[in-house]
Amino acid sequence: QSALTQPASVSGSPGQSITLSCSGTSSDVGGYNYVSWYQQHPGKAPKLMIYDVSNRPSGVSNRFSGSKSGNTASLTISGLQAEDEADYYCSSFTTSSTQLFGGGTKLTVL
Amino acid sequence: QVQLQESGPGLVKPSQTLSLTCTVSGGSISSGTYYWSWIRQPAGKGLEWIGRIYISGRTIYNPSLKSRVTISVDTSKNQFSLKLSSVTAADTAVYYCARYSSSPNWFGPWGQGTLVTVSS
Repeated sequence: QSALTQPASVSGSPGQSITLSCSGTSSDVGGYNYVSWYQQHPGKAPKLMIYDVSNRPSGVSNRFSGSKSGNTASLTISGLQAEDEADYYCSSFTTSSTQLFGGGTKLTVL
Repeated sequence: QVQLQESGPGLVKPSQTLSLTCTVSGGSISSGTYYWSWIRQPAGKGLEWIGRIYISGRTIYNPSLKSRVTISVDTSKNQFSLKLSSVTAADTAVYYCARYSSSPNWFGPWGQGTLVTVSS
Protein backbone atom coordinates (compact mmCIF):
# COMPACT_ATOMS: atom_id res chain seq x y z
CA GLN A 1 0.00 0.00 0.00
CA SER A 2 1.35 3.42 -0.97
CA ALA A 3 1.21 6.48 1.22
CA LEU A 4 -1.45 9.09 0.53
CA THR A 5 -0.17 12.02 -1.53
CA GLN A 6 0.26 15.41 0.13
CA PRO A 7 2.14 18.48 -1.14
CA ALA A 8 5.50 18.77 0.60
CA SER A 9 5.01 22.39 1.57
CA VAL A 10 2.43 25.16 1.64
CA SER A 11 2.78 28.72 2.86
CA GLY A 12 0.48 31.59 3.70
CA SER A 13 0.38 34.94 5.44
CA PRO A 14 -1.33 35.61 8.76
CA GLY A 15 -5.06 36.06 8.33
CA GLN A 16 -5.19 34.22 5.02
CA SER A 17 -6.92 30.91 4.33
CA ILE A 18 -5.01 27.95 2.98
CA THR A 19 -6.05 24.48 1.86
CA LEU A 20 -3.98 21.32 2.17
CA SER A 21 -4.78 18.38 -0.07
CA CYS A 22 -4.57 14.62 0.48
CA SER A 23 -4.97 12.33 -2.52
CA GLY A 24 -5.64 8.64 -2.41
CA THR A 25 -7.62 6.03 -4.28
CA SER A 26 -11.06 4.47 -4.25
CA SER A 27 -9.63 1.85 -1.87
CA ASP A 28 -8.95 4.39 0.84
CA VAL A 29 -9.86 8.11 0.74
CA GLY A 30 -12.55 7.68 -1.90
CA GLY A 31 -14.04 4.56 -0.41
CA TYR A 32 -14.83 5.71 3.11
CA ASN A 33 -15.64 8.88 5.02
CA TYR A 34 -12.80 7.91 7.35
CA VAL A 35 -10.18 10.61 6.72
CA SER A 36 -8.49 12.29 9.65
CA TRP A 37 -5.95 15.10 9.91
CA TYR A 38 -3.14 15.56 12.43
CA GLN A 39 -1.03 18.59 13.35
CA GLN A 40 2.54 18.00 14.48
CA HIS A 41 4.84 20.64 15.89
CA PRO A 42 8.61 19.92 15.95
CA GLY A 43 9.55 17.37 18.57
CA LYS A 44 5.92 16.77 19.56
CA ALA A 45 3.44 13.97 19.04
CA PRO A 46 0.74 14.44 16.39
CA LYS A 47 -2.55 15.99 17.50
CA LEU A 48 -5.95 15.09 16.03
CA MET A 49 -7.52 18.09 14.26
CA ILE A 50 -10.25 16.57 12.05
CA TYR A 51 -11.85 13.11 11.95
CA ASP A 52 -14.33 11.42 9.62
CA VAL A 53 -13.55 13.97 6.87
CA SER A 54 -15.11 17.04 8.47
CA ASN A 55 -15.62 16.61 12.21
CA ARG A 56 -13.67 18.63 14.78
CA PRO A 57 -12.81 17.16 18.19
CA SER A 58 -13.72 19.33 21.13
CA GLY A 59 -11.06 21.94 21.79
CA VAL A 60 -9.96 22.30 18.17
CA SER A 61 -10.47 25.77 16.71
CA ASN A 62 -13.31 26.22 14.23
CA ARG A 63 -10.72 27.81 11.93
CA PHE A 64 -9.94 24.22 10.92
CA SER A 65 -12.34 22.48 8.56
CA GLY A 66 -12.24 19.38 6.38
CA SER A 67 -13.91 18.17 3.22
CA LYS A 68 -13.64 15.48 0.57
CA SER A 69 -14.33 15.16 -3.14
CA GLY A 70 -13.81 11.81 -4.79
CA ASN A 71 -10.39 10.45 -3.90
CA THR A 72 -9.07 13.74 -2.52
CA ALA A 73 -9.57 15.13 0.97
CA SER A 74 -8.79 18.68 2.01
CA LEU A 75 -8.00 20.56 5.20
CA THR A 76 -8.70 24.27 5.21
CA ILE A 77 -7.27 26.63 7.80
CA SER A 78 -8.86 30.05 7.87
CA GLY A 79 -7.50 33.15 9.60
CA LEU A 80 -3.99 31.72 9.53
CA GLN A 81 -2.01 32.29 12.74
CA ALA A 82 1.67 31.91 13.57
CA GLU A 83 0.86 28.98 15.88
CA ASP A 84 -0.58 27.05 12.91
CA GLU A 85 2.94 26.62 11.50
CA ALA A 86 3.50 22.86 11.74
CA ASP A 87 3.49 19.64 9.77
CA TYR A 88 0.08 18.26 8.82
CA TYR A 89 -0.67 14.62 8.07
CA CYS A 90 -3.80 13.02 6.65
CA SER A 91 -4.80 9.45 7.35
CA SER A 92 -7.38 7.14 5.85
CA PHE A 93 -8.93 3.77 6.57
CA THR A 94 -8.50 1.27 3.73
CA THR A 95 -10.38 -1.66 2.21
CA SER A 96 -7.84 -3.96 3.86
CA SER A 97 -8.87 -2.57 7.27
CA THR A 98 -5.42 -1.05 7.56
CA GLN A 99 -4.61 2.64 7.97
CA LEU A 100 -2.60 4.84 5.63
CA PHE A 101 -0.88 8.15 6.31
CA GLY A 102 0.12 10.84 3.87
CA GLY A 103 3.70 11.99 3.51
CA GLY A 104 2.90 15.21 5.34
CA THR A 105 2.75 18.89 4.42
CA LYS A 106 4.95 21.51 6.05
CA LEU A 107 2.89 24.66 6.59
CA THR A 108 4.88 27.88 6.82
CA VAL A 109 3.25 31.07 8.08
CA LEU A 110 5.08 33.93 6.40
CA GLN B 1 -8.06 11.57 30.81
CA VAL B 2 -6.34 8.66 29.10
CA GLN B 3 -2.58 9.00 28.68
CA LEU B 4 -0.10 6.72 26.92
CA GLN B 5 3.62 6.32 27.57
CA GLU B 6 6.13 4.35 25.52
CA SER B 7 9.10 2.62 27.12
CA GLY B 8 11.94 0.40 25.98
CA PRO B 9 15.57 0.35 24.84
CA GLY B 10 16.72 3.33 22.81
CA LEU B 11 19.42 1.37 21.03
CA VAL B 12 19.05 -1.97 19.25
CA LYS B 13 21.69 -3.85 17.27
CA PRO B 14 21.07 -4.81 13.63
CA SER B 15 19.37 -8.19 13.16
CA GLN B 16 18.03 -8.13 16.72
CA THR B 17 14.46 -7.61 17.91
CA LEU B 18 13.11 -4.20 18.88
CA SER B 19 10.77 -4.38 21.89
CA LEU B 20 8.62 -1.53 23.17
CA THR B 21 5.81 -1.28 25.71
CA CYS B 22 3.02 1.26 25.92
CA THR B 23 1.48 1.86 29.34
CA VAL B 24 -2.05 3.24 29.41
CA SER B 25 -3.09 5.37 32.40
CA GLY B 26 -6.24 7.25 33.30
CA GLY B 27 -8.48 4.53 31.91
CA SER B 28 -8.73 0.79 31.32
CA ILE B 29 -7.25 -0.69 28.18
CA SER B 30 -10.17 -3.12 28.24
CA SER B 31 -12.94 -0.53 28.17
CA GLY B 32 -14.80 0.79 25.19
CA THR B 33 -14.47 -0.12 21.56
CA TYR B 34 -10.94 1.08 21.06
CA TYR B 35 -7.96 -0.53 19.44
CA TRP B 36 -4.37 0.11 20.46
CA SER B 37 -1.86 1.06 17.77
CA TRP B 38 1.79 1.59 16.98
CA ILE B 39 3.01 4.22 14.52
CA ARG B 40 6.58 5.23 13.68
CA GLN B 41 8.32 8.23 12.17
CA PRO B 42 11.91 8.22 10.83
CA ALA B 43 13.74 11.48 11.40
CA GLY B 44 12.53 14.15 9.00
CA LYS B 45 10.01 11.82 7.39
CA GLY B 46 6.32 11.04 7.56
CA LEU B 47 4.22 8.78 9.76
CA GLU B 48 4.00 5.06 9.07
CA TRP B 49 1.25 2.93 10.58
CA ILE B 50 2.64 -0.32 12.02
CA GLY B 51 -0.46 -2.09 13.29
CA ARG B 52 -3.13 -2.37 15.93
CA ILE B 53 -4.58 -4.79 18.48
CA TYR B 54 -7.96 -5.21 20.15
CA ILE B 55 -8.28 -6.47 23.71
CA SER B 56 -9.43 -9.81 22.32
CA GLY B 57 -5.94 -10.18 20.87
CA ARG B 58 -7.07 -9.64 17.28
CA THR B 59 -4.35 -7.87 15.32
CA ILE B 60 -4.01 -6.12 11.98
CA TYR B 61 -0.57 -5.22 10.62
CA ASN B 62 0.90 -3.06 7.89
CA PRO B 63 1.48 -5.53 5.02
CA SER B 64 4.98 -4.16 4.46
CA LEU B 65 5.99 -5.03 8.04
CA LYS B 66 3.70 -7.98 8.73
CA SER B 67 6.39 -10.67 8.53
CA ARG B 68 8.45 -8.98 11.26
CA VAL B 69 5.83 -7.44 13.60
CA THR B 70 4.05 -8.79 16.66
CA ILE B 71 1.72 -6.66 18.78
CA SER B 72 0.40 -8.08 22.04
CA VAL B 73 -1.71 -6.85 24.94
CA ASP B 74 -1.52 -7.43 28.71
CA THR B 75 -4.81 -6.27 30.19
CA SER B 76 -3.65 -7.06 33.74
CA LYS B 77 -0.91 -4.45 33.39
CA ASN B 78 -2.92 -2.06 31.19
CA GLN B 79 -0.16 -2.33 28.60
CA PHE B 80 0.36 -3.33 25.02
CA SER B 81 3.63 -4.13 23.31
CA LEU B 82 5.45 -4.09 20.00
CA LYS B 83 8.11 -6.50 18.78
CA LEU B 84 9.88 -5.91 15.47
CA SER B 85 12.35 -8.58 14.46
CA SER B 86 15.43 -8.56 12.22
CA VAL B 87 15.83 -4.80 12.47
CA THR B 88 18.06 -2.74 10.20
CA ALA B 89 19.08 0.93 10.15
CA ALA B 90 15.87 1.61 8.19
CA ASP B 91 13.90 0.81 11.35
CA THR B 92 15.49 3.74 13.20
CA ALA B 93 12.60 6.04 14.09
CA VAL B 94 10.51 7.64 16.78
CA TYR B 95 7.91 5.06 17.75
CA TYR B 96 4.51 6.25 18.97
CA CYS B 97 1.71 4.32 20.60
CA ALA B 98 -1.83 5.64 20.21
CA ARG B 99 -5.40 4.74 20.98
CA TYR B 100 -7.41 4.07 17.80
CA SER B 101 -11.11 4.26 17.07
CA SER B 102 -12.33 2.62 13.87
CA SER B 103 -15.66 4.46 13.82
CA PRO B 104 -15.49 7.37 14.26
CA ASN B 105 -12.06 6.98 12.74
CA TRP B 106 -9.17 8.63 14.58
CA PHE B 107 -5.96 8.18 16.54
CA GLY B 108 -5.85 9.83 19.92
CA PRO B 109 -4.40 10.36 22.37
CA TRP B 110 -0.82 9.63 21.38
CA GLY B 111 2.15 8.85 23.55
CA GLN B 112 5.04 11.31 23.50
CA GLY B 113 7.09 8.96 21.33
CA THR B 114 10.37 7.18 21.94
CA LEU B 115 13.43 7.21 19.68
CA VAL B 116 14.83 3.82 18.78
CA THR B 117 18.16 3.75 16.98
CA VAL B 118 19.38 0.63 15.21
CA SER B 119 23.16 0.58 15.26
CA SER B 120 26.00 -1.71 16.20
